[in-house]
Amino acid sequence: QKEVEQNSGPLSVPEGAIASLNCTYSDRGSQSFFWYRQYSGKSPELIMSIYSNGDKEDGRFTAQLNKASQYVSLLIRDSQPSDSATYLCAVGTSGAGSYQLTFGKGTKLSVIP
Amino acid sequence: NAGVMQNPRHLVRRRGQEARLRCSPMKGHSHVYWYRQLPEEGLKFMVYLQKENIIDESGMPKERFSAEFPKEGPSILRIQQVVRGDSAAYFCASSPNPPASKETQYFGPGTRLLVL
Repeated sequence: QKEVEQNSGPLSVPEGAIASLNCTYSDRGSQSFFWYRQYSGKSPELIMSIYSNGDKEDGRFTAQLNKASQYVSLLIRDSQPSDSATYLCAVGTSGAGSYQLTFGKGTKLSVIP
Repeated sequence: NAGVMQNPRHLVRRRGQEARLRCSPMKGHSHVYWYRQLPEEGLKFMVYLQKENIIDESGMPKERFSAEFPKEGPSILRIQQVVRGDSAAYFCASSPNPPASKETQYFGPGTRLLVL
């Protein structure tokens, strides 16, 4: 059974601070890793994807992957109130002709003005 | 370039009725995935389809649920004899390429199903 674990939060940070979101996964065969942002009542929106160990930066967002530790994180620099949302970690695994994303339950982030 | 489209956006059914949820993938995408999100829960994979083929339905409940993606038209998720526990948001996602380890899925707006 593939599992993806996230702290449910809420995680509260002041505006302008760095928000750090963490995720662990159970399937060592997982090959792709994603962070989605979901506003209340809306659909998931892709923020970052990462496939290799190390850091990947895109604007204010940095994703970090450590496959040995089965750990993925997302840093949001200069947090803004508009970043307040639930952040979903998703792990992709392919095999037997199929491909699935397994999602964590999400971390609710609140950025305080 | 239109994104993934789903309709209806909201659907109300009484217990025992049928629910039909439709999904049109992004232009150029031939792979469709359905997910269910219960209140305060993460998204759960249900089924993966290509045109005229069910590739993986390991996340689909064995009874009352079925999915198809015909040669023409949208993908359909069908729930027969709905029960209150089926109330959830149902999201469709699509991707362009055959299954690969770096496949990105793009999500539609979802259908919120409420069973009275």
